[in-house]
Amino acid sequence: GQQLNQSPQSMFIQEGEDVSMNCTSSSIFNTWLWYKQEPGEGPVLLIALYKAGELTSNGRLTAQFGITRKDSFLNISASIPSDVGIYFCAGYANAGNNRKLIWGLGTSLAVNP
Amino acid sequence: GAGVSQTPSNKVTEKGKYVELRCDPISGHTALYWYRQSLGQGPEFLIYFQGTGAADDSGLPNDRFFAVRPEGSVSTLKIQRTERGDSAVYLCASSARQGYEQYFGPGTRLTVT
Repeated sequence: GQQLNQSPQSMFIQEGEDVSMNCTSSSIFNTWLWYKQEPGEGPVLLIALYKAGELTSNGRLTAQFGITRKDSFLNISASIPSDVGIYFCAGYANAGNNRKLIWGLGTSLAVNP
Repeated sequence: GAGVSQTPSNKVTEKGKYVELRCDPISGHTALYWYRQSLGQGPEFLIYFQGTGAADDSGLPNDRFFAVRPEGSVSTLKIQRTERGDSAVYLCASSARQGYEQYFGPGTRLTVT
């Protein structure tokens, strides 16, 4: 099925560094969602974006809905060890139905204290 | 308020047996989703309920999989004649309405021996 292109696949950074990851699609999306998943847990919603150009923050996290509606990015500032996990982007495509979330393959983040 | 809950958290069964996995959505959420997640992958859509009816079951892999939501709240995913390939984490999510952000439960880890 359709998937989002999420990059990078993995990141290994030092505590205190900023992190940036992004998702792209070949088709237009009308919603972008960013989730974090830790081992043994379900995905936890971090940020939801509903309008092209929208920039939303949640603490040290900031996400933007790309103006072309085909991409989104997530930034984490001043990373800390508890930021470790897998970050997924997901969205509802504009064409077709908005029942199914389309998912990226995730960005695995490791933080060295 | 209470989030999405799933029971059991872990289920080990023998090949060929029948299993039921339960999901309690967030109160008032009309949309309910089932996903399956294998190690290192993003969630894979199985089925979506709007109220009591299955609005989209296109993700169910075969007729051994079935899900119900008789009163529009709790849902049960049923797997007949389990196979080793069914081993995965089964995630449930709920949403206030179609096309909106989804909130996930902790998942049920199913192991078929």
